[in-house]
Formats: sequence, C-alpha cells, structure tokens
Amino acid sequence: GAGVSQSPSNKVTEKGKDVELRCDPISGHTALYWYRQSLGQGLEFLIYFQGNSAPDKSGLPSDRFSAERTGGSVSTLTIQRTQQEDSAVYLCASSYSWGRNQPQHFGDGTRLSIL
Amino acid sequence: SQQGEEDPQALSIQEGENATMNCSYKTSINNLQWYRQNSGRGLVHLILIRSNEREKHSGRLRVTLDTSKKSSSLLITASRAADTASYFCATDNNNNDMRFGAGTRLTVKP
Repeated sequence: GAGVSQSPSNKVTEKGKDVELRCDPISGHTALYWYRQSLGQGLEFLIYFQGNSAPDKSGLPSDRFSAERTGGSVSTLTIQRTQQEDSAVYLCASSYSWGRNQPQHFGDGTRLSIL
Repeated sequence: SQQGEEDPQALSIQEGENATMNCSYKTSINNLQWYRQNSGRGLVHLILIRSNEREKHSGRLRVTLDTSKKSSSLLITASRAADTASYFCATDNNNNDMRFGAGTRLTVKP
C-alpha cells in the first residue's frame, strides 16, 4: 500500500485477555518502529526492527509485551494478560532504512481500550 | 524515556499570525525532526535538521537548531486553521531510536 497500515484501528478487550496488533509497513522499508501514546501525551518508544532483527528490546514496558517481524515486512505486537494501564494508542512507523537522518512514516495507530 | 521537551504545551493564535514552538533536549544528537499529528491520526514528518545545520526552511516552516543550548524552534508563518494540530520534536541520538517530546497543541482560530 501507499502508507503504513495498522489493524485493527480500534480494539476493546477485557482485562487479562491477550491482544495482537498488526503493522504493515511501506513496501521496501527495512526499518520498523513501535510506539505507545497515552492520551494527550508524547510517544513512548517500545521497539524497533532492522529487517527481522530487533537489536533493542529495552523499551518494552514488561515481559507481557513482545513483538516479531517476519519476512522483513509485517510486524505484530502482542500484549499478554492485558492490564488497564495498557490502554493507549499503539503507533507503528517505518523508514526506508535503519540509521540516522531517516524520517519515519507513521500509521494511524491502534486505539486499545482495556475494560 | 522522552528526550525532547516542547514548550509551550498549548498555543492558541489567530489565523494569519505566526506560531513559534520550542524544543529542548538533554543529550547530543545526530539530527532533530519535527512532526505534526492531527487528532486521531499518526504523525507526519515535517522537517529534519542535522546537528551541523543551524537553520532550515520548508514552505511556511522555519526550523532553527542551537546545539550549544540543546534547543530547537519551529516557526509557522501566516498560520491557517488547517495548521491546528499537535507538533512534536524528535531527536535521533547515537542509539538510532527516536525520542519524542510530549508535544505542543496548536490551535489556529479562523
């Protein structure tokens, strides 16, 4: 597609359930990023991928969060045993390559609400 | 953790006026980028300024960077109602991950 696509756009689930968020980057972009944005706040960096590899996972808030990327394209962010504090907008971005001076292209996010 | 911090948190101006937003950061950077976010949407890249540049222009946007003060400013000239959005600065440090501030919410009244 022309831009970064995220699905679902909205997700409401009960506390304790697992959720899976999907990101389809711009074709040809090798770098992919996940962020979390709480209401009215800035972006909290979670993880980035260069190809299928995630060199730095230190931004993930807890071991309930995991992410993978296969085939150098689609990425999924999984949250296990969701908690109410996980409620936020999860944004995905991609850039042409990993490295400096690369602008990031964002999807419109998945709005996650934990009841 | 966040790196850039925008100031002010919120700014309200009349159409046609200029809007200035500031960003301060703590560590050395490779570049600084400004993004815009409309409500309910993702961020859109506006402009990138490298650490060895002092000023950059793009249309009605003017960005300055002062590495000695670890600060940057974004000026939007002749603002329009469509400029209403949140504006974020993001710094690219040696870790190659972007650190975003909390943003400035700009409202341009018609």
